Amino acid sequence: QVQLVQSGAEVKKPGASVKVSCKTSGYTFTNYWMHWIHQAPGQGLEWMGMINPTNGGTIYAQKFQGRVAMTRDTSTSTLYMELSSLRSEDTAVYYCARDHYSGSGTYLDYWGQGTLVTVSS
Amino acid sequence: DIQMTQSPSTVFASVGDRVTITCRASQSVNLWVTWYQQKPGKAPKFLMWKASSLDSGVPSRFSGSGSGTEFTLTISSLQPDDFATYYCQQCHSYPYTFGQGTKLEIK
Repeated sequence: QVQLVQSGAEVKKPGASVKVSCKTSGYTFTNYWMHWIHQAPGQGLEWMGMINPTNGGTIYAQKFQGRVAMTRDTSTSTLYMELSSLRSEDTAVYYCARDHYSGSGTYLDYWGQGTLVTVSS
Repeated sequence: DIQMTQSPSTVFASVGDRVTITCRASQSVNLWVTWYQQKPGKAPKFLMWKASSLDSGVPSRFSGSGSGTEFTLTISSLQPDDFATYYCQQCHSYPYTFGQGTKLEIK
């Protein structure tokens, strides 16, 4: 069965960077793009971007452009999301979610359990 | 960016009620709206895509409709497990924006 297992909670100081991992199993890693979504405490979902696991190609939301880097390791079927220059408003749960492209459209069918990143001095 | 606006933000309802949530896009997204359900402390769960195509295993009391800029999610007869927050998302163009969410609470 498809599983997306994310790394554990992190506490970081303002200005630092954080790297969240998303280890996948149960499907062919390179067949599905992966998205990352941000959810601040008590707030809604915000799309951060996506990565093509085949070639590492990325598409980022403008809001996070320049601070986010999405990468992958095909040998371990793991995706990574690194966010730099952290500020308090980056305190959030970060989710990875698999893109299911059917040929006529796309949706996010499987989600990781989420990783809480707390930015605090 | 395409803005997705959900209404209402909160809806109070009872078991057995029929509930409709609306999602409006700031420009046409054709049929490319997906709905998710999220419970506290949990990851969102995919419900339906392409405005009205239910994921396998999603109860038939859930239905979706719409195209262009206006979409609805309807729950025909609320069950206790349905009390959650619901989000729409457009997957028509980047960035794939979400609505702000509709919280379904017990009356």
